[in-house]
Amino acid sequence: QQQVKQSPQSLIVQKGGISIINCAYENTAFDYFPWYQQFPGKGPALLIAIRPDVSEKKEGRFTISFNKSAKQFSLHIMDSQPGDSATYFCAARLFSGGYNKLIFGAGTRLAVHP
Amino acid sequence: NAGVTQTPKFQVLKTGQSMTLQCAQDMNHNSMYWYRQDPGMGLRLIYYSASEGTTDKGEVPNGYNVSRLNKREFSLRLESAAPSQTSVYFCASSTRTGNQPQHFGDGTRLSIL
Repeated sequence: QQQVKQSPQSLIVQKGGISIINCAYENTAFDYFPWYQQFPGKGPALLIAIRPDVSEKKEGRFTISFNKSAKQFSLHIMDSQPGDSATYFCAARLFSGGYNKLIFGAGTRLAVHP
Repeated sequence: NAGVTQTPKFQVLKTGQSMTLQCAQDMNHNSMYWYRQDPGMGLRLIYYSASEGTTDKGEVPNGYNVSRLNKREFSLRLESAAPSQTSVYFCASSTRTGNQPQHFGDGTRLSIL
């Protein structure tokens, strides 16, 4: 199974609140888990990433929590701001067919209301 | 400091027409990629080029062809456009396949009537 399942599809959070986006996978061969942020009319950009031997990674207000046994990982945005309003994609890297490829989740559209 | 540049930004085609989407990067990256983005489906890899002179199929290659013209440029061609190819197309590049981050262009919004 090469899918990465992402939830929720959309999320509304008040300014200052915590935004939480969840992803789940089946394939234990995935070796790297990045999160990409996409603003309207722009391409995705790498936000933060984690390797499966680490349980948590924090960069500023953004934290990835990784649960290897449950095959789940999540993005937490602390003190959410209107400027965080964007679509967020989780992804997982897999070496398959002779190359490293990224499998993307379906995306979560986050709206942070002032 | 352009990064990845895609042209055109928007295009409307009729069914059966052909078109080439252009992509160029100025970061001296070896690997380049073409993705399509559809609502509720994330990004799916169409083709990739691990290095200059090589191209390989991704997850959804049917109906597309690519050319790695040189290290900077990687084009995507629709030979006979179909409504199912209506999508937003993104080009990306990275130092090598699998290396992060992948740097994305701003996309080409393609509608096929």
